[in-house]
Amino acid sequence: SVLTQPPSASGTPGQWVTISCSGSRSNIEFNSVSWYQQLPGTAPQVLIYSNDQRPSGVPDRFSGSKSGTSASLAISGLQSEDEAVYYCASWDDSLNGRVFGGGTTLTVL
Amino acid sequence: QVQLQESGPGLVKPSQTLSLTCTVSGDSLSGSTHYWSWVRQSPRKGLEWIAYIYTNGRATYNPSLKSRASISIDTSQNQFSLRLNSVTAADTAIYYCARGGYTYTGPWGQGTLVTVSS
Repeated sequence: SVLTQPPSASGTPGQWVTISCSGSRSNIEFNSVSWYQQLPGTAPQVLIYSNDQRPSGVPDRFSGSKSGTSASLAISGLQSEDEAVYYCASWDDSLNGRVFGGGTTLTVL
Repeated sequence: QVQLQESGPGLVKPSQTLSLTCTVSGDSLSGSTHYWSWVRQSPRKGLEWIAYIYTNGRATYNPSLKSRASISIDTSQNQFSLRLNSVTAADTAIYYCARGGYTYTGPWGQGTLVTVSS
């Protein structure tokens, strides 16, 4: 994938976890980043858009940030229902298209 | 609340054309200021953006699929569609429609599995 994510992450209930998304000047550095949560057997749904904005209905436990060619998703107060695969996405000016990360599987221990 | 629903054949023969439709409820395409997208997901390639279209019919395609893909919009039916020709087994995937374009997409439809096989 054009955007690089760790394949897995884990935490215990109540913990704070972060998931990274590494890109380049052609995507993350000069374009906005969005994050998606895919619960088992369901479609991805947007968690964060425009780097750090939450759609209505998304708990404020989820937050996004961006610095240079990388972005991060942070989840505070981890809950068992947060077990899912998380994807980052951005626009790539060199490829002239939207690109996704490979996804990070979050396990709540 | 905006909802999207994909529909179309679940099985397509190699070399034929895949055709899918997304029906939108809770938002009027004719008056919308949103883009509308198709994204697919497969174990081999993960999430792959295919194309998006604006209400006025202006479309943008993934360069790797541009020669085979066609997206269209029918505001009278509140639907938008995808056609992908000359399909191969590599096009087997879950196909999602979603609201949004180059910045972000949401909400997404539930997805429809399309298998390319003879």
